[in-house]
Amino acid sequence: EVQLLESGGGLAQPGGSLRLSCAASGFTFSSNDMSWVRQAPGKGLEWVSGISGTDGSTSYVDSVKGRFTISRDNSKNTLYLQMSNLRTEDTAIYYCAKKFDNRWPSFDYWGQGALVTVSS
Amino acid sequence: IVLTQSPGTLSLSPGERATLSCRASQSVRSNNLAWYQQKPGQTPRLLIYGTSNRATGIPDRFSGSGSGTDFTLTISRLEPEDFAVYYCQQYGGSPLYPFGQGTKLEIK
Repeated sequence: EVQLLESGGGLAQPGGSLRLSCAASGFTFSSNDMSWVRQAPGKGLEWVSGISGTDGSTSYVDSVKGRFTISRDNSKNTLYLQMSNLRTEDTAIYYCAKKFDNRWPSFDYWGQGALVTVSS
Repeated sequence: IVLTQSPGTLSLSPGERATLSCRASQSVRSNNLAWYQQKPGQTPRLLIYGTSNRATGIPDRFSGSGSGTDFTLTISRLEPEDFAVYYCQQYGGSPLYPFGQGTKLEIK
């Protein structure tokens, strides 16, 4: 059974940092592209960042470039999101998501989410 | 690519047919269009991938269609558990996986 379990959420001050983790199980983590998707309170879904399973290449939405860093440790089956210089508009539930298939780029499994609140 | 979903809210009764629209600002490859369902307090669930393929365990009352810039999610006969928010999503461009803003399907 595929499981994605996020941790590391919490309260941070504007300008502060947090690191999210996503522990994966039930599939071959190293072979799969992974992403972080967030959802601000009462709002829709926004893709934040993704990382390739094959070559580790990364991509980001413009609003987090230079502030967030996605990484993975395939030996630990864990995905990370290092968030720095946080802004109030980064407040959201952050989901890690597994890419379904390279032929049909979508997300077939999602974690339960980690709440990040940025407030002074 | 920007995805625009319509309507923003759709009010229907159980048993009725629901038609949700997703329009892209540029042509989208059919393989790259997906639909998700999200119920309150739950994580999103993949419904449709590659425009028209139902994900594992999705009932056949859900169907997807479309091409180019216009895509549709149809629920043939609404069940009480289908009332939720639906998002379309595509792949490619910047950002890499844009989502539509969502359509809320509510009970009339």
